[in-house]
Amino acid sequence: QLQLQESGPGLVKPSETLSLTCSVSGGSISSTNYYWGWIRQPPGKGLEWIASIYYTGTTYYNPSLKSRVTISVDTSENQFSLKLNSVPAADTAIYYCAGGGYTYGHPFDYWGQGILVTVSS
Amino acid sequence: SYELTQPPSVSVSPRQTASITCSGDKLGNKHASWYQQKPGQSPVLVIYQDTKRPSGIPERFSGSNSGDTATLTISGTQGIDEADYYCQAWDSNTVLFGGGTKLTVL
Repeated sequence: QLQLQESGPGLVKPSETLSLTCSVSGGSISSTNYYWGWIRQPPGKGLEWIASIYYTGTTYYNPSLKSRVTISVDTSENQFSLKLNSVPAADTAIYYCAGGGYTYGHPFDYWGQGILVTVSS
Repeated sequence: SYELTQPPSVSVSPRQTASITCSGDKLGNKHASWYQQKPGQSPVLVIYQDTKRPSGIPERFSGSNSGDTATLTISGTQGIDEADYYCQAWDSNTVLFGGGTKLTVL
């Protein structure tokens, strides 16, 4: 059973870069057909997908965030990361890392517990 | 851009059947998933590829998807099913979530 755990600073200043890491245990991040992603949820609001990366290294980004986002994988550490540049206060949210391995629809079967990131000076 | 629309809220009496809809243009041609999220918890996948249940999800959860509408059905609804539910689809290499539906078990 895969387990995911987010880590990173809980407070980021406006205009700076938000950097988060997701550690994967219970399996290899390089497993065939798996994909990994970041989803966020502003307090009291719905889910917003940020980005995904496949085991092949192919990346996909939310068009509304694409200019500020980078998702990457570190296979040696069995983890993947998110960088979000030039953050405004509106980027305050719970950030979840998630993973899945289904062929159709890109559903996320495994989720981390989430990390609250507040953007404030 | 593609959008998924859900009703903000649905109410159901215990032991009755709850239906939560998710609408999108030709959604039936895509593969819908559904997530349950309880307060303070991470989302849990309850339906994927329109109709399939992951291991450990009770049989009372079922899904369908045709035309422009995907539907999550909870049969014999229990108090523990009270939660927010989100639909999700994959379109043009992007993941889309519906706005979420709050299910209240009265």
